[in-house]
Amino acid sequence: DQQVKQNSPSLSVQEGRISILNCDYTNSMFDYFLWYKKYPAEGPTFLISISSIKDKNEDGRFTVFLNKSAKHLSLHIVPSQPGDSAVYFCAASAWSGGGADGLTFGKGTHLIIQP
Amino acid sequence: EADIYQTPRYLVIGTGKKITLECSQTMGHDKMYWYQQDPGMELHLIHYSYGVNSTEKGDLSSESTVSRIRTEHFPLTLESARPSHTSQYLCASSDNGGGEQFFGPGTRLTVL
Repeated sequence: DQQVKQNSPSLSVQEGRISILNCDYTNSMFDYFLWYKKYPAEGPTFLISISSIKDKNEDGRFTVFLNKSAKHLSLHIVPSQPGDSAVYFCAASAWSGGGADGLTFGKGTHLIIQP
Repeated sequence: EADIYQTPRYLVIGTGKKITLECSQTMGHDKMYWYQQDPGMELHLIHYSYGVNSTEKGDLSSESTVSRIRTEHFPLTLESARPSHTSQYLCASSDNGGGEQFFGPGTRLTVL
């Protein structure tokens, strides 16, 4: 059973507009959420994260919003640029007292920025 | 420059061969991870390590084994490769348990 869901396999956005990528989770123990960007034949690159004690975190063009009651988070990219075209993965973890537990990933959303 | 490295990047091998995928990091991180990803699918955790001489199995059952003799090195071994092992294998490291993990470029394995 998937604990992290990205229901849109792909998303096409015009250059300069806002890209909104969505992610839902089912495990109430998750308390830390991350977004990764992945190009083909490369490893994922960390973009931005948010702790469950916050509802928003911003870093340049990237903003992540967390709605704990809905178990939903979203990544906003403004303005979208051609170099943003990639697969975006949502990931989550349960801190588990500081253990080494890995991340639980969604299946990814392929973002395509059109000129 | 601190980084995480994986070799080989691509490997095509016949059924029954023994293979070792290498992963090294120069960031001084205690925690390291192996993930497996099939095309269009999520990354699945197959192994992780808290530090030297520590190895644990992840959420996805895997026939591979790992070792952690040195902090910077976390190799993954398949004793007898099969076509079902064809996948991308990604290594990562972290300096804390649930936070940001840094990924290597991955090894794309094809078993014929």
